[in-house]
Amino acid sequence: AQKITQTQPGMFVQEKEAVTLDCTYDTSDPSYGLFWYKQPSSGEMIFLIYQGSYDQQNATEGRYSLNFQKARKSANLVISASQLGDSAMYFCAMRPFTGGGNKLTFGTGTQLKVEL
Amino acid sequence: GAGVSQTPSNKVTEKGKYVELRCDPISGHTALYWYRQSLGQGPEFLIYFQGTGAADDSGLPNDRFFAVRPEGSVSTLKIQRTERGDSAVYLCASSPRPGQQSNEQFFGPGTRLTVL
Repeated sequence: AQKITQTQPGMFVQEKEAVTLDCTYDTSDPSYGLFWYKQPSSGEMIFLIYQGSYDQQNATEGRYSLNFQKARKSANLVISASQLGDSAMYFCAMRPFTGGGNKLTFGTGTQLKVEL
Repeated sequence: GAGVSQTPSNKVTEKGKYVELRCDPISGHTALYWYRQSLGQGPEFLIYFQGTGAADDSGLPNDRFFAVRPEGSVSTLKIQRTERGDSAVYLCASSPRPGQQSNEQFFGPGTRLTVL
């Protein structure tokens, strides 16, 4: 079974600052993928970034980067130069690549508020 | 539109009634997923279709829940004898190329189900 833990129910950041959203995971699968999704108040889940467990480098997508520490089983999302439009709920998720894994297991999310 | 669409966007029903929720995936996507998101939680997996068949239905909570995808495109989630605990947002997602590890899932806007 997989488990995702997001310990920050809410975070505040000032516009143009960087913010780190924490995510730790637990799995017995040797290979897996880690995903971050953004959910604005409209409700739609928007894919942000992906990290494979065997990827040598941390993933980056524009202002998003993933601080992947495999030994610690953590996959923190870093948002640089925060914008007001970044205010939303952020979910960390994982998918195992063995054992028929196609379903995503999500954490409970972090509500990010970007302030002026 | 090009994205995943779900109808209705809102559904209010009475305890004990039957409901159907519809999902139209992105054209050409062979994989389709249903998730349920309760208030303050991350989405929880219900069922995954590869083509017309349910490849993994391990997340369906009980036999009141059933889903079909008869032609490998549109899917319907069916809930019999609804209970107040079924109230949640039901999210549908689709993805292409199921064998690819970085296979992201594209989510629809969800159907908010309220059981009175």
